[in-house]
Amino acid sequence: DTGVSQDPRHKITKRGQNVTFRCDPISEHNRLYWYRQTLGQGPEFLTYFQNEAQLEKSRLLSDRFSAERPKGSFSTLEIQRTEQGDSAMYLCASQRIGLRGSSGNTIYFGEGSWLTVV
Amino acid sequence: DQQVKQNSPSLSVQEGRISILNCDYTNSMFDYFLWYKKYPAEGPTFLISISSIKDKNEDGRFTVFLNKSAKHLSLHIVPSQPGDSAVYFCAASSPFNAGGTSYGKLTFGQGTILTVHP
Repeated sequence: DTGVSQDPRHKITKRGQNVTFRCDPISEHNRLYWYRQTLGQGPEFLTYFQNEAQLEKSRLLSDRFSAERPKGSFSTLEIQRTEQGDSAMYLCASQRIGLRGSSGNTIYFGEGSWLTVV
Repeated sequence: DQQVKQNSPSLSVQEGRISILNCDYTNSMFDYFLWYKKYPAEGPTFLISISSIKDKNEDGRFTVFLNKSAKHLSLHIVPSQPGDSAVYFCAASSPFNAGGTSYGKLTFGQGTILTVHP
């Protein structure tokens, strides 16, 4: 148990509907990441936050995607007007930077939220 | 542009023998490398990492070797156990800032499915 919690674990939605995923990172982790994984591929970076600031967004994150981390703790990832191509596992990860040595470099993942768009 | 490649989609090994998983990268800015293990429908679990200032890191049955000149790393599992059967991803990162103490987003390979037979 890495301590990163994601909800819901599974979501089936009709094309065109909006969906929202929530991530609760490990306590005191100041950096939070969102990744997407499709079948047969490794996870792909989407965006990350340091505290409440969203510092980078991948070109994979279209205008239909929005992520927030309002209080620097939990984060939400919303997908508007879902498309079948959005079907994937959405992974959240967290990291505590600022630690000396390598222990601050490890990124811990949650169990993921499966999205199926029908 | 696949900056991190795992050219073997699958590997089958007998219990008790050595498993060797390989990974190649192209981006010379990468200087921190990680291996993750993933079971179906779960998020990746951190296994072991290595900084580019080292060429070997060992943790129990797991050893990671890094050959910077060849831009190649490998994960050795000895002895292999049936519970090691999973998908293994290598990942690489580069520092966000000149300080180099906080490593950022990960770039993953496509994964290698390891099957350890009893």
